[in-house]
Parts: sequence; C-alpha cells; structure tokens
Amino acid sequence: GAVVSQHPSWVICKSGTSVKIECRSLDFQATTMFWYRQFPKQSLMLMATSNEGSKATYEQGVEKDKFLINHASLTLSTLTVTSAHPEDSSFYICSARDHYGYTFGSGTRLTVV
Amino acid sequence: AQTVTQSQPEMSVQEAETVTLSCTYDTSESDYYLFWYKQPPSRQMILVIRQEAYKQQNATENRFSVNFQKAAKSFSLKISDSQLGDAAMYFCAYRGPQGGSEKLVFGKGTKLTVNP
Repeated sequence: GAVVSQHPSWVICKSGTSVKIECRSLDFQATTMFWYRQFPKQSLMLMATSNEGSKATYEQGVEKDKFLINHASLTLSTLTVTSAHPEDSSFYICSARDHYGYTFGSGTRLTVV
Repeated sequence: AQTVTQSQPEMSVQEAETVTLSCTYDTSESDYYLFWYKQPPSRQMILVIRQEAYKQQNATENRFSVNFQKAAKSFSLKISDSQLGDAAMYFCAYRGPQGGSEKLVFGKGTKLTVNP
C-alpha cells in the first residue's frame, strides 16, 4: 500500500529558531499533500493544502509567514515553523492523497523550549 | 460548510464483543466519500474503511463494516469480535465530490476502550 514517510518523528528546538518537517510519498506521486496540527485528545486541524509546483492554500487563521510550506516535487512537501515559540509546540501530521484515499505520515512531535 | 459529528466521545467494549460507533454528517452534495480512520496510541492514522456515496452497498473490511444511510446522512462503524488492538481513537471523515475540494473534514473522534 501507499506509504508516507514523515521526519523527524520528534524535535526539540529553542524559542526563536526554525524547524523543518519533511513529508515524502515513498511509492506514489502526490500532487496534493495536507498538513495538520493535532492538540492532545483532539481531532486533526487542517493547516494548509500543499500543491506541487504552486503556493500552498492556508486555512483561515493559520499564519502563512510562520508556517512555510513548500511542495517542490511530486514526492516531497516540507513544513517549516519559523521563529518558533512555545505555543507552537504540538503534534504535526502530513497526509497525501493516493489512489484510494489518504495516507498519513507518522507525525512529528514538536517541543519549543 | 460540511460538518461531521461523532456524538460518542468515548465507548467501551468487551473483547470478542461487537461495538458500533456513530457518525453523522451534513452536506448538500450527492456524490462524496466517507472514511473511518483509527489512531492508536502511536498516533499513526490508519485507514479502516472507505465508502463512496454513490454505492448503495455497505463497505466491509474483515471485522469492520459500515452502515451507510445516505438519506439520514449517517455512517456508523461496526467492529465485530473486538480485539485489544482495536483500542484507539476513531475518526469519521468526509470528502466532497471529485473535482471539488480534496480536504477531509474530520469529526471530533471517539475513544474506544477494549476490556479484556
């Protein structure tokens, strides 16, 4: 089946620094990828839709300058959290549309200290 | 806007028994897709089952089956012969028709506990 690889699985960074999260489709081409944020014991909150070769579409209330998304190839999308602050600490998940539905990465636990 | 409602924040079931998780949704579309995803403690989202709205036959995947009632906009998940490994958060999700938005709309989830 389709596999989406997400790295890193966890990261700790200092406040004010930037961190990049990668999402790769391993065995299929993903023209569209999605980035979610999940707070503890809550559902997934869509942050943005990433389209290969074009600008990402952000959901209302998501700061596009803080959460930079790049989808430069059909197998790779990246999310960069810029000037991270403790309130950005969360679980981030990527997803790619495949032939059957949607495959999710394993998630990234971001802790900003 | 489409919404997905899971009215059961938590459910529990005895091992080997059957449990049904509820999901209702709101849409004005006639063609769409519905999904159930499982999120175990590892937090990896796993597709459990998918239903296409134009198909009247309820989808089935081994011990998992759905009761899709299009007129009632209901999409419940039945887990038969529950196993300890079924313990997880279960999310119901909606996706609109082909050619439209590809975004998934998720419900708030149901936490399923399986008792030995």
